[in-house]
Amino acid sequence: GEDVEQSLFLSVREGDSSVINCTYTDSSSTYLYWYKQEPGAGLQLLTYIFSNMDMKQDQRLTVLLNKKDKHLSLRIADTQTGDSAIYFCAAWGTGGGNKLTFGTGTQLKVEL
Amino acid sequence: GAVVSQHPSRVICKSGTSVKIECRSLDFQATTMFWYRQFPKKSLMLMATSNEGSKATYEQGVEKDKFLINHASLTLSTLTVTSAHPEDSSFYICSASPRVGEQYFGPGTRLTVT
Repeated sequence: GEDVEQSLFLSVREGDSSVINCTYTDSSSTYLYWYKQEPGAGLQLLTYIFSNMDMKQDQRLTVLLNKKDKHLSLRIADTQTGDSAIYFCAAWGTGGGNKLTFGTGTQLKVEL
Repeated sequence: GAVVSQHPSRVICKSGTSVKIECRSLDFQATTMFWYRQFPKKSLMLMATSNEGSKATYEQGVEKDKFLINHASLTLSTLTVTSAHPEDSSFYICSASPRVGEQYFGPGTRLTVT
């Protein structure tokens, strides 16, 4: 099966960039996602990238994919206090059984 | 677009009773819906995958007789927790998929069993 790993915690100052990292094990993963979860809420899809892409940028969000190393990152530019949340990366692939496998989640704390 | 609703958002029930949670895709048809369980400060654990008109596929370790899933239409799936016990207390999240690779999540249902 697929394993997806993330660091548990990240703290940044408001206005700085945040970089959240994720590694996965299944090389056949086709889609890779970043979700945001605020306390007591469901998951909000932030962005996703296909496995044949290296980078995707969407406003303040930049996703980088290193397929060789099976490493995914999410960069949030000009981080704001409203960005404080848990961020999950997730991988979809046949090795994971054609379903989403979630990482452990990274708690992002933005300090003033 | 791509909105998924869940009802109720919070429910408290007594031990031994059954609780039904609804998941609806509001503006698209979902051939597949997924049910997840999330423990505090933990990641999402997939419980089952349901396809409209067929039986749900349960993940290993999930009791299908305890967690009944019905996917009656392309916009509605229900999860019934039967004979609930305090250890079933959790945050249950559904997602709906209009096509492979796309999943949209509901806001979750907080279940507390007393």
